[in-house]
Amino acid sequence: DAGITQSPRHKVTETGTPVTLRCHQTENHRYMYWYRQDPGHGLRLIHYSYGVKDTDKGEVSDGYSVSRSKTEDFLLTLESATSSQTSVYFCATRFPGANVLTFGAGSRLTVL
Amino acid sequence: KQEVTQIPAALSVPEGENLVLNCSFTDSAIYNLQWFRQDPGKGLTSLLLIQSSQREQTSGRLNASLDKSSGRSTLYIAASQPGDSATYLCAVQNSGNTPLVFGKGTRLSVIA
Repeated sequence: DAGITQSPRHKVTETGTPVTLRCHQTENHRYMYWYRQDPGHGLRLIHYSYGVKDTDKGEVSDGYSVSRSKTEDFLLTLESATSSQTSVYFCATRFPGANVLTFGAGSRLTVL
Repeated sequence: KQEVTQIPAALSVPEGENLVLNCSFTDSAIYNLQWFRQDPGKGLTSLLLIQSSQREQTSGRLNASLDKSSGRSTLYIAASQPGDSATYLCAVQNSGNTPLVFGKGTRLSVIA
């Protein structure tokens, strides 16, 4: 987890409220990713970024938006949280040409 | 669309046994394949990365092999130990700029 900090690490919220998860990296990696991990589904890509202000959708992007205004921060926003978005969210980073993915410790979100 | 499958979903072995974890993927035109380890409540740690031009990679008691033509990879763990108990995930990347696609993992328990 060195160099990648996710916040908050745990959050409980109510249906319909907005939620923002933050991923902060000190590695100066260009690529950043948001995954969610659920039992029976494994890790699924939500959104990713290949540079400041450059983002793209993953396979489960509905209900999520992202922003990357500077290299070190990648924000994941749930505009109106639903119970189906209860999950563990992982941020990952990668340096171009270095194919190894480095993961944060995860953020556990519970939507009641 | 690339799909990654890992069988079995769970495996329990006695300490000291050699074991093999399996990973298969549907699109053989991959750029690389990675094996990760995940401990309960933690993020993922990269174990081994195999480039598409390679057949295997080794790190300590771990050996990963790749057969692109058949769409398969195996992770061999020699002389298993209780500390090897974790979930092991396989992930493939189809090109240098595309995100990884993950399997659902194999949960390994090594019994002392």
